[in-house]
Amino acid sequence: AQSVAQPEDQVNVAEGNPLTVKCTYSVSGNPYLFWYVQYPNRGLQFLLKYITGDNLVKGSYGFEAEFNKSQTSFHLKKPSALVSDSALYFCAVRDPGGATNKLIFGTGTLLAVQP
Amino acid sequence: KAGVTQTPRYLIKTRGQQVTLSCSPISGHRSVSWYQQTPGQGLQFLFEYFSETQRNKGNFPGRFSGRQFSNSRSEMNVSTLELGDSALYLCASSKVTGQAIMNTEAFFGQGTRLTVV
Repeated sequence: AQSVAQPEDQVNVAEGNPLTVKCTYSVSGNPYLFWYVQYPNRGLQFLLKYITGDNLVKGSYGFEAEFNKSQTSFHLKKPSALVSDSALYFCAVRDPGGATNKLIFGTGTLLAVQP
Repeated sequence: KAGVTQTPRYLIKTRGQQVTLSCSPISGHRSVSWYQQTPGQGLQFLFEYFSETQRNKGNFPGRFSGRQFSNSRSEMNVSTLELGDSALYLCASSKVTGQAIMNTEAFFGQGTRLTVV
């Protein structure tokens, strides 16, 4: 069964420092991976996706993610964190079972950036 | 370009009642999916519609149903509400063309916060 794991419930980082939010996946076939961010009482906003090609994917708001096939990981990164980056981050994988738009989400990681 | 619109934003219902939630996808998007978000279970897939047909369904009881109209707008209905149905219900739309669905991102609405009392 396809699954995504986010091993950290919360990540704390000081403003200006680099941040990493971890994600590992388990899928059969090629992985199609996504990162979303959720601010309080809001829906999910798309950040970036990995489909194929370069292992380093660049996305919105200065975020990027590194795909590592051997470690089955897709960690979200940003060189310099902002207080406004504080939010809930979700990693997701597309269910490869047929022509479906179903996304399987991780449990989420709360990012807290201290000023 | 307008985003995904969900109405209403907030709802309070009593156990046993039924509720209908509405979702208008981004113009040109034909795939609409619904998700339930709760603190305990996280984000769980409810169902997906494409061209008025349900294409996939999550592991939810039959009290949860949905439909899609010819203009791609979608509704989901929950009958005989239970306290455990209290959640944020999220709708997502995607611009899908054939096999390209796998690499197409989904765009989410702001959700409907349902509280069952």
